[in-house]
Order: sequence, then structure tokens, then C-alpha cells
Amino acid sequence: DAGITQSPRHKVTETGTPVTLRCHQTENHRYMYWYRQDPGHGLRLIHYSYGVKDTDKGEVSDGYSVSRSKTEDFLLTLESATSSQTSVYFCAISESRGRNTGELFFGEGSRLTVL
Amino acid sequence: GQNIDQPTEMTATEGAIVQINCTYQTSGFNGLFWYQQHAGEAPTFLSYNVLDGLEEKGRFSSFLSRSKGYSYLLLKELQMKDSASYLCAVRNDYKLSFGAGTTVTVRA
Repeated sequence: DAGITQSPRHKVTETGTPVTLRCHQTENHRYMYWYRQDPGHGLRLIHYSYGVKDTDKGEVSDGYSVSRSKTEDFLLTLESATSSQTSVYFCAISESRGRNTGELFFGEGSRLTVL
Repeated sequence: GQNIDQPTEMTATEGAIVQINCTYQTSGFNGLFWYQQHAGEAPTFLSYNVLDGLEEKGRFSSFLSRSKGYSYLLLKELQMKDSASYLCAVRNDYKLSFGAGTTVTVRA
């Protein structure tokens, strides 16, 4: 199994507060991703990174920012949480070198509730 | 843009076969993935198709037709532990876009 850890795994917060989710990998994979998963929508890409300090927006990036200062860490920040950001957040990593297919390996998820 | 469609739910009997279809219209294509996700858990990789045809992996097979924008996942000899959501995903460069998932319920 790919070494990916997310923290915190569960968080309850109030509307308007900042929240940071952390993803840490020990696989030295180049690509890292943040998805959110909601009933009826499946997994939707928020932001992704293709290297240290190289990030780009996904399809649902409004209200989120990311940073990647080291290969192993990818942070997702909600500057001012809203109830619509209540979701399960998954971090994923991938590598596309050599025989790798570019499949994603997922962390265990972080359940965020915004009251 | 990305448009990936799959049925919402399917029910089948233990020991039977179920086929989950996925149709896609995407701006780019570098392969199609199937993932399995049990309730409350992370998705796990099942299969990958980049060329047309059938890929077989034990009880699971996946088929791709790029000209039709179509794939299916075939689950044979269903077991209770196969009750899960199955996610179809299309790769474009190094990004994966997912369908909403198909929840398969296996009945005894």
C-alpha cells in the first residue's frame, strides 16, 4: 500500500473559521491531488500539484487554496469555511514514470463538518 | 469538459455476474480506470484500460471502446464482499476525472 496519511481524519468547525488539511506521502510520487466526495457527485478535483511549488486548480477550486513546499506534503486550506464545504476530502498521489499507469493511490480521507 | 456517466445503483445475487457500464465524453483521453470503494473507506484501484479490448484480472474484467467512449466492468461469481461503489475514471494527462459511482448490492 502507498504510504499516504491525512490529518486530521475528522474535524468539526464553525462557519467562517480557517481550516487546513494535511496530506503526507512517503512514496516520493511527483503528483498529488485533493478531491472532495459528496453524495451524487462522486469525486471532484479541487487542486493538484505536479511538483514542489507547482500547483493548479481543479474543477471545484473556489474557496480553497493549496501549498506544496516539500515533495512529501500537500496542504489544503479553507480560508473561511462554509457549510457547503462539509464533505469528505481525499488526498491522492500518482507517478507516471516508466511502467506506472498513473493510477491514483488514495489516503484514508478527512471528514470535515462545517456548522 | 468532462462528462462521465454510470448507473447509480445495481443489485445482483451472490454467485451471479454484473456488468457496470460507463460512457464518457472528455476533452482528452490517456486511459480509463475502475476503482472500488467500500462504504467509509478510500477508493482502491481495480483496473486500467488504455487500448481497446478486454483486460481480465481474476473475477474482474474491464472493457474499453475508445471510438464509442464506452467501458464496462464485469464482476463474475459475485461475493457478498463485492458490495461496494464502483467508480469509473478517465485520465487526461495526469488528472483523473470520476463518474458519480455505481453502488452494487449483492444479495444472498
